[in-house]
Amino acid sequence: ETGVTQSPTHLIKTRGQQVTLRCSSQSGHNTVSWYQQALGQGPQFIFQYYREEENGRGNFPPRFSGLQFPNYSSELNVNALELDDSALYLCASSLAPGYSGNTIYFGEGSWLTVV
Amino acid sequence: AQKVTQAQTEISVVEKEDVTLDCVYETRDTTYYLFWYKQPPSGELVFLIRRNSFDEQNEISGRYSWNFQKSTSSFNFTITASQVVDSAVYFCAQATLQGAQKLVFGQGTRLTINP
Repeated sequence: ETGVTQSPTHLIKTRGQQVTLRCSSQSGHNTVSWYQQALGQGPQFIFQYYREEENGRGNFPPRFSGLQFPNYSSELNVNALELDDSALYLCASSLAPGYSGNTIYFGEGSWLTVV
Repeated sequence: AQKVTQAQTEISVVEKEDVTLDCVYETRDTTYYLFWYKQPPSGELVFLIRRNSFDEQNEISGRYSWNFQKSTSSFNFTITASQVVDSAVYFCAQATLQGAQKLVFGQGTRLTINP
């Protein structure tokens, strides 16, 4: 158990729809990152939130957006879903944004299927 | 740009055999961190080890051991006396130190331990 919880676990959406995925970070962790893992691939960094502000972004289009709340929980929103958005979405939490030796803990992910 | 290569896509061995998972990384940074994560079918990434670029000492944890060699940019992972429970996908990753706490993952190695 890493203390990072994600919801929903599985969901199916139709192309063009919007989806919101949620993450509760480990207690005390103020930094949350989101990763996309396509089938058979390694996770790809989407973006990171630190103290409610976006702190870095990977190579993903603007239709991928996020939020972080005062309790450090986070949401990932994807608009105008495409078939290629089908993937496992992983949330990771840690104590600090710039890596300073802290361990990064992952949740079990949300499996998104776009049909 | 950073890159992590895990050339072995799949490995299958019989229980009790030793197995080594290879990881080669590329970076221009002089200070960096390397990781190994285990991903069981549930999807959660389980942290195994973190190694910083200044510490080339090999590490052993029970049946697991890691060999870090900066001269060859490799960070290999060996499981001794493998067990069926070791079956999973294993990812090697590298962390940046500047800005966002971004992990760059390899493609992963699917390890199957047969009874």
